[in-house]
Amino acid sequence: GAVVSQHPSWVICKSGTSVKIECRSLDFQATTMFWYRQFPKQSLMLMATSNEGSKATYEQGVEKDKFLINHASLTLSTLTVTSAHPEDSSFYICSALPGGSTTEAFFGQGTRLTVV
Amino acid sequence: GQQVMQIPQYQHVQEGEDFTTYCNSSTTLSNIQWYKQRPGGHPVFLIQLVKSGEVKKQKRLTFQFGEAKKNSSLHITATQTTDVGTYFCAGRRTGFQKLVFGTGTRLLVSP
Repeated sequence: GAVVSQHPSWVICKSGTSVKIECRSLDFQATTMFWYRQFPKQSLMLMATSNEGSKATYEQGVEKDKFLINHASLTLSTLTVTSAHPEDSSFYICSALPGGSTTEAFFGQGTRLTVV
Repeated sequence: GQQVMQIPQYQHVQEGEDFTTYCNSSTTLSNIQWYKQRPGGHPVFLIQLVKSGEVKKQKRLTFQFGEAKKNSSLHITATQTTDVGTYFCAGRRTGFQKLVFGTGTRLLVSP
């Protein structure tokens, strides 16, 4: 199957700093990428949908100024958690949808963010 | 907004017993997918169902999509310890690309 690489796999940062997470589709072009957040023992909550070359669409309750998403190319989307706080500590997962597809979305390995 | 609920939240079975998780959406879906997530891992795609009433099998796993395309189920026959993990359904509404995940069912299998 297609490969989506997410980096870093884990990161620890201090409160008030920003953290950037990258999501790359390695062997296909992804016109659409999704960013999810998962708290321990909970489901994946969709944060935003990003389409290459356009602004991301954020889900209700997700602060777009805090979670900056950039989808500058067909193989790369980034999520920047700005001014991180301990409550932002979570597992962040991206998924990528091949162009024109409405079937399987391919997931990155996830990034475990801990804000201290 | 769209909500997708799963029951049970958690089930602990003995190896060899059967297991079923049920998925219910608040809205009609164009398709539904099932994923398995092992502890510490990311979701892994299992299958997609598209047609009303569709039934698909993968070895010991049987997936069903309801006639109204608002519910689905996953049945595992004769569970094995390798089946341990959390099973999520994820649905897409017609005209939408985004996948909304269900609340998940965590399965524990004792040898």
